[in-house]
Amino acid sequence: SAVISQKPSRDICQRGTSLTIQCQVDSQVTMMFWYRQQPGQSLTLIATANQGSEATYESGFVIDKFPISRPNLTFSTLTVSNMSPEDSSIYLCSVDGWLAGGFAYNEQFFGPGTRLTVL
Amino acid sequence: DAKTTQPTSMDCAEGRAANLPCNHSTISGNEYVYWYRQIHSQGPQYIIHGLKNNETNEMASLIITEDRKSSTLILPHATLRDTAVYYCIGLEGSNYKLTFGKGTLLTVNP
Repeated sequence: SAVISQKPSRDICQRGTSLTIQCQVDSQVTMMFWYRQQPGQSLTLIATANQGSEATYESGFVIDKFPISRPNLTFSTLTVSNMSPEDSSIYLCSVDGWLAGGFAYNEQFFGPGTRLTVL
Repeated sequence: DAKTTQPTSMDCAEGRAANLPCNHSTISGNEYVYWYRQIHSQGPQYIIHGLKNNETNEMASLIITEDRKSSTLILPHATLRDTAVYYCIGLEGSNYKLTFGKGTLLTVNP
């Protein structure tokens, strides 16, 4: 399995600013995903981040608003740019394809989430 | 991926089996049935998945009907810590993008 940490765990930001969320995994993984969970709602996939390639964004999400980096097999960042109150959500990263003797798939592991409030 | 339908909420007594149903009548032959749960203020947790056969692991059992149009997740001895939102997700084997619906809020009562 994989242990995933996210920083910060929560933040309160002013509108118009940007916040970068970090996701660190304790083992190498091939795929990393970023989700958003708006208050009282289910999770929505923002993008898929595979090391060595550009992130792939889902409909309704664009790179200018949510730039993503994936510099290696254990780390990724999501930036929420030019924030507005509508961006207040929990942002979660998840991983699949973790190294355990070989890369195993089919079980996504999720981080604890970053709770963002935009004033 | 198949659209799934789950009850909005269910209650279960502590120590009893919790049976959570899911309808996925449009599921295709190569789509797996996945179950995740999200305990309040935590990230989702993988529970189990299956294609055709019934599956069991240390957390739960998954019963899939022969026509694959529905399934049931069984928590054999529910505890208070099993109170969570449970998500049933249909997913093709080559696709790793999870589409979360509204899920079922399971409340385990003492």
